[in-house]
Amino acid sequence: GQQLNQSPQSMFIQEGEDVSMNCTSSSIFNTWLWYKQDPGEGPVLLIALYKAGELTSNGRLTAQFGITRKDSFLNISASIPSDVGIYFCAGQLDFGNEKLTFGTGTRLTIIP
Amino acid sequence: SQTIHQWPATLVQPVGSPLSLECTVEGTSNPNLYWYRQAAGRGLQLLFYSVGIGQISSEVPQNLSASRPQDRQFILSSKKLLLSDSGFYLCAWGAVAYEQYFGPGTRLTVT
Repeated sequence: GQQLNQSPQSMFIQEGEDVSMNCTSSSIFNTWLWYKQDPGEGPVLLIALYKAGELTSNGRLTAQFGITRKDSFLNISASIPSDVGIYFCAGQLDFGNEKLTFGTGTRLTIIP
Repeated sequence: SQTIHQWPATLVQPVGSPLSLECTVEGTSNPNLYWYRQAAGRGLQLLFYSVGIGQISSEVPQNLSASRPQDRQFILSSKKLLLSDSGFYLCAWGAVAYEQYFGPGTRLTVT
């Protein structure tokens, strides 16, 4: 099946640092979504992107829909302890297809 | 506003026993509904999805089944659990523009 390559797999940063992660595919996606999952909880939708080149912010988070429609990026500025968790990208491949394809996740850890 | 509930939150079941996990959504009509499984430290695997009452699409052959007896109710079942069925089960509902919103999950341990 279709796969989304998400990188890096894990990140160890200090509080206050900026974070960048990305998701790439060999196929064109029509919608990109970014989720955050805390331990033992369901993923929470952070940002949704619908058009190539779109840049959307949600507080300290900014995500972009790549112009090739084959990738997406998520940046977190000035990280804080509550940013710890696993971040997943997800893409919607075909119009009318009700399924999402999920990336493998980026685990963010903040070093004290 | 919409909310999604899952129960139970945690479950420990012996191998060979039956399973029934329930998911209900409030505040929306005719949502798309999804069941995912997540192994420890891994990504999300789509198991089933439904676009309406009685309409179930299965994504992977497995020991599980799903049913949608009511518009906002989605049930995941098994007649006989296997050790490999252990995991974190997530229900999600689909909104406009393909966004999906997840429930709190059920942690299933098969012993």
